[in-house]
Amino acid sequence: AQSVAQPEDQVNVAEGNPLTVKCTYSVSGNPYLFWYVQYPNRGLQFLLKYITGDNLVKGSYGFEAEFNKSQTSFHLKKPSALVSDSALYFCAVRDWDRGSTLGRLYFGRGTQLTVWP
Amino acid sequence: DARVTQTPRHKVTEMGQEVTMRCQPILGHNTVFWYRQTMMQGLELLAYFRNRAPLDDSGMPKDRFSAEMPDATLATLKIQPSEPRDSAVYFCANSAPYTDTQYFGPGTRLTVL
Repeated sequence: AQSVAQPEDQVNVAEGNPLTVKCTYSVSGNPYLFWYVQYPNRGLQFLLKYITGDNLVKGSYGFEAEFNKSQTSFHLKKPSALVSDSALYFCAVRDWDRGSTLGRLYFGRGTQLTVWP
Repeated sequence: DARVTQTPRHKVTEMGQEVTMRCQPILGHNTVFWYRQTMMQGLELLAYFRNRAPLDDSGMPKDRFSAEMPDATLATLKIQPSEPRDSAVYFCANSAPYTDTQYFGPGTRLTVL
């Protein structure tokens, strides 16, 4: 079965400092990995995804994620955090459903990022 | 800018009442997902459809929950009878054919008293 783990419930970082939100995954085949962000009272928004190719994936709002196959990780990063980046971040992995090449996503429990001024 | 629409945005009801939540997918998005989010359980997949046909509803309590797509522009999630433990935010999400990215609606915040 596919799964992701986000080992930190909360990450706190000062504005201007680099941030990392961690994610590890478990899959039976090739991992297709995603990051989503949720602002208060909003639905989840897609940030970026890794399907194949370069291990460093760039996404929205200056975020990037590094795929590491040997460590089965897909950590989200940003070189310089903003107060407006404060939100709930979800890592997800794609599954294959019956008879189709596209399936459901398995989400982690989320990591609350707080960037303080 | 195409968006997923969900109605109502907020719903307060009493235990035992029927609740219907609606979702209007982005035009052309043929896969529709229903999620429930709570502090305790996080984000849970309840059910999903492709081309209006149910693919998986194993995450949904069958005795009280039902999900349907009467047509390509409407997905519904019903709870009958509702219970206080159903209090949560319910999200609808869609994806386009042959793509992975899911687009989420703003959610329906349900409170069952």
